[in-house]
Amino acid sequence: QVQLQESGPGLVKASQTLSLTCTVSGGSITSGTYYWTWIRQHPGKGLEWIGYIYYGGNTHYNPSLRGRLTISVDTSKSQFSLRLISVTAADTAVYYCVRLAPLGVVTSRWFFDLWGRGTLVTVSS
Amino acid sequence: QSVLTQPPSVSGAPGQRVTISCTGSSANIGAHNVVHWYQQFPGTAPKLLIYGDNNRPSGVPDRFSGSKSGTSASLAITGLQAEDEADYYCQSFDSGLSGYVFGTGTKVTVL
Repeated sequence: QVQLQESGPGLVKASQTLSLTCTVSGGSITSGTYYWTWIRQHPGKGLEWIGYIYYGGNTHYNPSLRGRLTISVDTSKSQFSLRLISVTAADTAVYYCVRLAPLGVVTSRWFFDLWGRGTLVTVSS
Repeated sequence: QSVLTQPPSVSGAPGQRVTISCTGSSANIGAHNVVHWYQQFPGTAPKLLIYGDNNRPSGVPDRFSGSKSGTSASLAITGLQAEDEADYYCQSFDSGLSGYVFGTGTKVTVL
């Protein structure tokens, strides 16, 4: 079955760049059916959608992170990645890579059906 | 940013019925956007529980059900079991924010 696995540094210094990669295994990232997303959860807090990418490169970002965020895809490696610049302590969170599954044509109706285990990223001062 | 409001906690005895509300606005739930629900145990990733307002993925017990009316949605757990003790989040899409939004989360405690 399809699995998602996050990887990347668990510690990033403030003002530097947070980079994470999600590897999709057991299925194709280019299936065309799904979008691939990042979601984060601050310690002891709720969930925050970061953004998504389609295998063809189309992206949609959370407006609150636009300007600092880049999500990219490497179909040859079945991976998609997150890059967040100028991080602060407020970016400390567990980061999940998640599959966005269709429910009709309009993406606003879609839901997050498959989650990676998550990786904790701590921003140090 | 959590634009969907949930009660911080609900509790019930085994076998009872509990409901979790998810209150939104005309920009999200009230804008004909569907609501989905997720269950999260401590230290683990959320798991899809209900999609499209009231549909259960394969493997989710039928004691979980969802409903929606106006700008609010609800998750009901009937026949509460000890294994249902977890955090629950609603999720929808906000047209004003142009993005997916989650509820504030509700911790269910089985007494």
